[in-house]
Amino acid sequence: SQQGEEDPQALSIQEGENATMNCSYKTSINNLQWYRQNSGRGLVHLILIRSNEREKHSGRLRVTLDTSKKSSSLLITASRAADTASYFCASNYKLTFGKGTLLTVNP
Amino acid sequence: NAGVTQTPKFQVLKTGQSMTLQCAQDMNHEYMSWYRQDPGMGLRLIHYSVGAGITDQGEVPNGYNVSRSTTEDFPLRLLSAAPSQTSVYFCASSYSSSGGYEQYFGPGTRLTVT
Repeated sequence: SQQGEEDPQALSIQEGENATMNCSYKTSINNLQWYRQNSGRGLVHLILIRSNEREKHSGRLRVTLDTSKKSSSLLITASRAADTASYFCASNYKLTFGKGTLLTVNP
Repeated sequence: NAGVTQTPKFQVLKTGQSMTLQCAQDMNHEYMSWYRQDPGMGLRLIHYSVGAGITDQGEVPNGYNVSRSTTEDFPLRLLSAAPSQTSVYFCASSYSSSGGYEQYFGPGTRLTVT
């Protein structure tokens, strides 16, 4: 079973706009992580948020976590064409992934 | 550091053949894992290891074997390849299995079984 499920499955925006992706999970977590995957490449870690944190920032990334709703969101501000990729959430150490959100940022 | 390396990058097998996908990390990471990714799907966990000599099954272990004789290496063996094993395989490692640490992924091995 997949612990993380991302929503929407696909998102297309213009450069400069903000992109928001959501993640829902099923069981209790110690932490939740977001990863990016460029086409045909391995996953790259973006940010980790612990279960006792509600919000975390890293550059243009903002992640929120709501453990009562078992959900997280990833916000990318002022998007760039280079942000075009698939984004995945996963929890704890034995990471299980959803199908991801495919973000397309149009120049 | 080279990080997580995987060989080969591409492989074509015939049904019934066996092969080993290699994975190595030079970061002295305790935790290592193997995933497969099929088109339009997320990554599914095949096997994982929390340290040398210790391995366990993930979501989709059938048809695959692993061993962890050293901290650095975590090879994945396909015993008798089937077309359903056509996929991209990723190896990953993390500092600790206690959680709270990012995972580092290799570049992947693209396997086709005909």
